[in-house]
Amino acid sequence: GQQVMQIPQYQHVQEGEDFTTYCNSSTTLSNIQWYKQRPGGHPVFLIQLVKSGEVKKQKRLTFQFGEAKKNSSLHITATQTTDVGTYFCAEEAGSYQLTFGKGTKLSVIP
Amino acid sequence: DADVTQTPRNRITKTGKRIMLECSQTKGHDRMYWYRQDPGLGLQLIYYSFDVKDINKGEISDGYSVSRQAQAKFSLSLESAIPNQTALYFCATSDPTSQHHTQYFGPGTRLTVL
Repeated sequence: GQQVMQIPQYQHVQEGEDFTTYCNSSTTLSNIQWYKQRPGGHPVFLIQLVKSGEVKKQKRLTFQFGEAKKNSSLHITATQTTDVGTYFCAEEAGSYQLTFGKGTKLSVIP
Repeated sequence: DADVTQTPRNRITKTGKRIMLECSQTKGHDRMYWYRQDPGLGLQLIYYSFDVKDINKGEISDGYSVSRQAQAKFSLSLESAIPNQTALYFCATSDPTSQHHTQYFGPGTRLTVL
């Protein structure tokens, strides 16, 4: 089935540095969702992107959907310790199923 | 999300034992899902249900079974647990009428099979 590839698997940044995680697919995606899982917690929905070239912002988080709808990115500006966690992208694989990427685990060094 | 609850939260069992993980939701959603999470592998779909009479296998259903007792309850069973089923298990729900088809996850059950 379809699969989204997410990179990097791990990222360690100094507090205040920027962070980006990328999600890539070999096929055109109908939409893409992003989730955040805090350490010891459960995935929590952040946002959904649907339109080609779409850009959405949530405070320091910027989400982009590629023009060809085959890739997406999440960028965090000036990371804080509260940003620590694993960020997952997920594609809707039909019939309201989601196929998740393997996630990017973000560590922020104070 | 407090609207999706899972019991137990932690369980240690032995190889060969039958285990049931339970999920309840008060969100009124028709769709429910079971995922397993292993370090570095993301979330893998085990089973999903679109209503009480509709049960579907996910990508890794072997060794698992499910029961949808009511709209609000979806249970996952391991008929004969084995060590490689040690993982974190999440239940999730979604509302097909919503714009985003967002999934809402329970707090998870950490299962260890010795």
